[in-house]
Amino acid sequence: KQEVTQIPAALSVPEGENLVLNCSFTDSAIYNLQWFRQDPGKGLTSLLLIQSSQREQTSGRLNASLDKSSGRSTLYIAASQPGDSATYLCAFLFPPEETSGSRLTFGEGTQLTVNP
Amino acid sequence: DVKVTQSSRYLVKRTGEKVFLECVQDMDHENMFWYRQDPGLGLRLIYFSYDVKMKEKGDIPEGYSVSREKKERFSLILESASTNQTSMYLCASSLWGPDGYTFGSGTRLTVV
Repeated sequence: KQEVTQIPAALSVPEGENLVLNCSFTDSAIYNLQWFRQDPGKGLTSLLLIQSSQREQTSGRLNASLDKSSGRSTLYIAASQPGDSATYLCAFLFPPEETSGSRLTFGEGTQLTVNP
Repeated sequence: DVKVTQSSRYLVKRTGEKVFLECVQDMDHENMFWYRQDPGLGLRLIYFSYDVKMKEKGDIPEGYSVSREKKERFSLILESASTNQTSMYLCASSLWGPDGYTFGSGTRLTVV
């Protein structure tokens, strides 16, 4: 069974700080990795998608990396702002298993608070 | 941009009622999914569908059913709502292959 772990569970930082969120996975045979943001009471917004053959993706102040050999992904947020406060989830799409199709497996999320 | 629209943001229903949660996507995605999200339990897959009229059970299908009569629409049905089905429900869609998922804005269902 694939497992995805996110650390830390919660993080509080002052505005302007650069920060890294971590995600680890047990099965390197992935199709892709997706980082999502979720604001309280809202749905998931896709931030970055990394295909299995890629090492990283960047969008604005966000950079996500993927290292299949170590089973890790990181989301780097530069110059954090109070508007970045949200829960961040990593999710992996693994190949189909014997009894089920290909499905997204989520980490538990990191709750980020950026203080003004 | 791909849009996944969930018909209601908030719903309050009584125990025993039949509840329909509707989800529509506008980008011709083959795959559609229903999740529920609860504090401390994360996102759990209820049902998914790879094609019209096809459905497969996820990890927690008990107490739910689904309907996919058209490619763009995937409905989650609570046959007889119970208080333990109070939750945030999230719909998602995707294409076949390694592209990403797109999620709707969620429906917060409260069963009283």
